[in-house]
Amino acid sequence: DIQMTQSPSPLSASVGDRITITCRASQFINNYLNWYQLKPGQAPKLLIYSTSTLQSGVPSRFSGSGSGTDYTLTINSLQPEDFGTYYCQQTYSDVTFGGGTKVEIK
Amino acid sequence: QVQLQESGPGLVKPSQTLSLTCSVSDASINIANFYWNWIRQHPTKGLEWIGYIHHTGANYYNPALKSRVTTGMDPSKNQFSLQLTSVTAADTAVYYCARAPPCGGSSCYAFDLWGQGILVTVSS
Repeated sequence: DIQMTQSPSPLSASVGDRITITCRASQFINNYLNWYQLKPGQAPKLLIYSTSTLQSGVPSRFSGSGSGTDYTLTINSLQPEDFGTYYCQQTYSDVTFGGGTKVEIK
Repeated sequence: QVQLQESGPGLVKPSQTLSLTCSVSDASINIANFYWNWIRQHPTKGLEWIGYIHHTGANYYNPALKSRVTTGMDPSKNQFSLQLTSVTAADTAVYYCARAPPCGGSSCYAFDLWGQGILVTVSS
C-alpha cells in the first residue's frame, strides 16, 4: 500500500502567517491527492481535492499544489479558525492518509 | 443541507462485533451515485479508511480490515451501516461516516461530507 508522509508536525504559527504543509507519497499518485481539516468535536472538512481544486465554500487563502509524489497545502494569512490538524489523503491506489499536521498557535 | 450522523454503542467487549449506523438526512442514499464510507481515527493517531458501500450494493474494503468488515444499507431508513467483527483494544477509535461523490478526473473518494464521529471503546 502507498504510505503518505506529512511534515512538519506540529507546526507553530501566528495569525497572519503563511504556512506550508508537505505530503510525500511512497510512490507516484498522479494528483489523486486531497486535503482535510480536523477539529475536535467537529465533522472533518474537505479543503482541496485533486491536488489543487478548492472545495466549495473553502476560503481562497487555502491552496494546493504538487505532482508525482510531492504535494503541498498552503494557507496564506493564517486565521484563528484555521488552527487544527490537517491530513493529506491519496486515492490513487486504495485510500491512505498522512499522519497529520497539527497547526498550533505560536 | 445534507447531514450525516453516526450512532451505536460507545463500548464493545473484546472479541465481540462492533455495529454502527450512519443516518443521512436531506438526501436519499438510494438515488444519488455516491459512495458511503467509514473512516476511523485511533487515539493519538491518524486516519484509517475502512471501506465503502455504493447504492448499487457494491462494496470495497481496506485490505488490512477486509476479513472483519461488512457494510450494509437500509434505503427505507436512509441509513448505512458498519460491522467489525472480533474487535480488540486496537479497534478503539473515533468512527466517522462520510460521503464521496463519483470519481471523475483525478478526483476519487474525496470525502465531501462527514459525520461528527462516534467514539467506540473496546474494553471488558
